[in-house]
Amino acid sequence: NAGVTQTPKFQVLKTGQSMTLQCAQDMNHNSMYWYRQDPGMGLRLIYYSASEGTTDKGEVPNGYNVSRLNKREFSLRLESAAPSQTSVYFCASSEAWVSFSGANVLTFGAGSRLTVL
Amino acid sequence: GENVEQHPSTLSVQEGDSAVIKCTYSDSASNYFPWYKQELGKGPQLIIDIRSNVGEKKDQRIAVTLNKTAKHFSLHITETQPEDSAVYFCAAILVFGAGTILRVKS
Repeated sequence: NAGVTQTPKFQVLKTGQSMTLQCAQDMNHNSMYWYRQDPGMGLRLIYYSASEGTTDKGEVPNGYNVSRLNKREFSLRLESAAPSQTSVYFCASSEAWVSFSGANVLTFGAGSRLTVL
Repeated sequence: GENVEQHPSTLSVQEGDSAVIKCTYSDSASNYFPWYKQELGKGPQLIIDIRSNVGEKKDQRIAVTLNKTAKHFSLHITETQPEDSAVYFCAAILVFGAGTILRVKS
């Protein structure tokens, strides 16, 4: 099993261009997440999907949109890329929603490194 | 919302020594505290977690302690080895600390 697969692994964009990061999991997980990782700031939650058909904003959603295409796939779109969106993006999934009432392990993909010039 | 602070940002230890990483959280309602290890070029991977109804949990050379009253939790790695060198993240539910770069010198 591949776990969580992200594409592309690397991407360079010019300011104003758009692109979509793809994520797929093969573990039959219900919940999926997008994080960005920046030096000294850890991992910050952009958007999440607690279950198929639902999406919600995380800590830093501005400039991003998401689509939960089906139970396996969760994409992140940058409509008009800005240099501030230069980062490493991680997709993750969990068997159930990680909430105050329960605990579920996040399984992360290998990351997508995005540079916006 | 929840805020997680993690210290130190970098930690260098001699092989065989112990390493301790500390985190504090702000929301007393948080009840799940995982620790993730990230190796170079890879995504974070869970190494140990603890729920709020437990004060301590061990798994071989790794242990986590939780003090709910003080709202802090810590990762303890004993008998460190070069392969322990990585970035470690604590989290409260879905909110992550800034990370600690651990270097184990042989």
